[in-house]
Amino acid sequence: DAKTTQPTSMDCAEGRAANLPCNHSTISGNEYVYWYRQIHSQGPQYIIHGLKNNETNEMASLIITEDRKSSTLILPHATLRDTAVYYCIVRVAEYGNKLVFGAGTILRVKS
Amino acid sequence: GAVVSQHPSRVICKSGTSVKIECRSLDFQATTMFWYRQFPKKSLMLMATSNEGSKATYEQGVEKDKFLINHASLTLSTLTVTSAHPEDSSFYICSARDLQGTEAFFGQGTRLTVV
Repeated sequence: DAKTTQPTSMDCAEGRAANLPCNHSTISGNEYVYWYRQIHSQGPQYIIHGLKNNETNEMASLIITEDRKSSTLILPHATLRDTAVYYCIVRVAEYGNKLVFGAGTILRVKS
Repeated sequence: GAVVSQHPSRVICKSGTSVKIECRSLDFQATTMFWYRQFPKKSLMLMATSNEGSKATYEQGVEKDKFLINHASLTLSTLTVTSAHPEDSSFYICSARDLQGTEAFFGQGTRLTVV
């Protein structure tokens, strides 16, 4: 699976949009971009994933560049409960394929 | 989304004893589950892939005799930490994927403390 690079940490004001970048310059054509987050002392939570089109769900939006070498996770109106470690992972969507976690980005939402 | 449940959420055991952690997929079947461990302020480290009806596949450096994995049914995988020592104290997390979907779901984790 391709390697990802994320900033170590970011701060965001409550109520503002949080934009979390991820670089995946070696991504292959059949690899998806997945985002998970982990709130302290809990298991990771799935947020969103995409292949090449932008995606949106009730939690977030995922913007993937046209060359697919980077993406941005957008939390439109961050709340204090969004404080967590956010992981960007690229992998083939084949069943049984493991998820390998990098260091992720610590997002701190501040009031 | 699909639900993965782990039990227990916390366990304290004495050195030398064994501890079993259960991971269940509550509303879907999973032929493959994954086990991770996580040390404080560190990322998740994949330990092994649990395959229903066959032997688990362990990541490099993970002792298979130390961390016994059994995946006896399509909804249950267990991780047994044998002869636990204080250095085995960690946060253990399981993950499973619905055959129909593409995203993995995680259990709430098990905090193991060996004293």
